[in-house]
Amino acid sequence: ETGVTQTPRHLVMGMTNKKSLKCEQHLGHNAMYWYKQSAKKPLELMFVYNFKEQTENNSVPSRFSPECHNSSHLFLHLHTLQPEDSALYLCASSQEALRSGNTIYFGEGSWLTVV
Amino acid sequence: GQNIDQPTEMTATEGAIVQINCTYQTSGFNGLFWYQQHAGEAPTFLSYNVLDGLEEKGRFSSFLSRSKGYSYLLLKELQMKDSASYLCAVRGVGIFGTGTRLKVLA
Repeated sequence: ETGVTQTPRHLVMGMTNKKSLKCEQHLGHNAMYWYKQSAKKPLELMFVYNFKEQTENNSVPSRFSPECHNSSHLFLHLHTLQPEDSALYLCASSQEALRSGNTIYFGEGSWLTVV
Repeated sequence: GQNIDQPTEMTATEGAIVQINCTYQTSGFNGLFWYQQHAGEAPTFLSYNVLDGLEEKGRFSSFLSRSKGYSYLLLKELQMKDSASYLCAVRGVGIFGTGTRLKVLA
């Protein structure tokens, strides 16, 4: 139990579907992140939220839309995805965003398959 | 450009010692993290180095040389449960290596 909970753990969706991934952290952290992990590729940072405000978007296509209600809850809305978007999507949190020495705590990930 | 290099795979025997190397070239440096990731699970934090030298934590140690852009993770007394991917990450967030898949054999 890492203190970061993601749902669903597995998701299969068609290219025309709309779905959402949810992340909740119980660590009292102020920063939350979405990462994408594809096979044989480095972990890719997608979005950073600090105190509910988006502070970083690493050129992520608009078919991925994050939403942050508060420092504890983060969503990733998915719409008209492509098969190459199939990957493990990891949510993470830390005390503050992008600060030296902050340990990043990851959720267990949501395995997404786009068919 | 920014780049982190790690070997793709390593194999070692139970009870042995293994060293996983990481070299990096980044525009900034605020420290280097090592994470462990078992198949199908999230990465978990192992160690953090911001100054040169060796940090020891039980069976795991991590070394950093900022002038050489080099770090290594040293695993002693290997156990079967150490079979996992080990990710090197610079600045803690956003820049990760591809990971080294370690197989520990009986």
